Amino acid sequence: SQQGEEDPQALSIQEGENATMNCSYKTSINNLQWYRQNSGRGLVHLILIRSNEREKHSGRLRVTLDTSKKSSSLLITASRAADTASYFCAPRHGTYKYIFGTGTRLKVLA
Amino acid sequence: NAGVTQTPKFQVLKTGQSMTLQCAQDMNHEYMSWYRQDPGMGLRLIHYSVGAGITDQGEVPNGYNVSRSTTEDFPLRLLSAAPSQTSVYFCASSYASGTRDTQYFGPGTRLTVL
Repeated sequence: SQQGEEDPQALSIQEGENATMNCSYKTSINNLQWYRQNSGRGLVHLILIRSNEREKHSGRLRVTLDTSKKSSSLLITASRAADTASYFCAPRHGTYKYIFGTGTRLKVLA
Repeated sequence: NAGVTQTPKFQVLKTGQSMTLQCAQDMNHEYMSWYRQDPGMGLRLIHYSVGAGITDQGEVPNGYNVSRSTTEDFPLRLLSAAPSQTSVYFCASSYASGTRDTQYFGPGTRLTVL
């Protein structure tokens, strides 16, 4: 399978805490992207990390990539209630197919 | 730019009916795709296109047809609707270049097949 698999499936934290979600994949990638989906809406792109990068930051988001372990993690620091959403990773394997996993459902409690 | 637009927003069909879900983008993206999302699930790729006149199957293509006659439009046709096709359908587009390949999603079409 070319899809990413997110872990955990669900995560519940208090506002202000950090949230970490992980993504594993099976074959080598060109890049890996993270997306967010608010309830019932289309996905919104968050961040892209290339296969030759190990870490990338965007605001309160930090993404790491370990190609030797075929895994990536997304860290959201100082979480807010507005971060409540589902988060998906999409490994890009050099084809034009973007295959999404089932996502991590994050709930941030106020 | 309007981005990616989808019509209709909601649709109810009876089993056996056919219909076309419309998707359009105004960003001159080469790549367009259709996904379905069932409740509590991730997105499953139905069909995709890397340019006008070029389409290919995704993970779950059965029961759906696509065509790409222009860069802007990528309609999805349900040939004979079945209850198993009840889902939310998302269209997405992006540049095909590896350096600019983030996807932009439409708002979705909620389809119910009775």
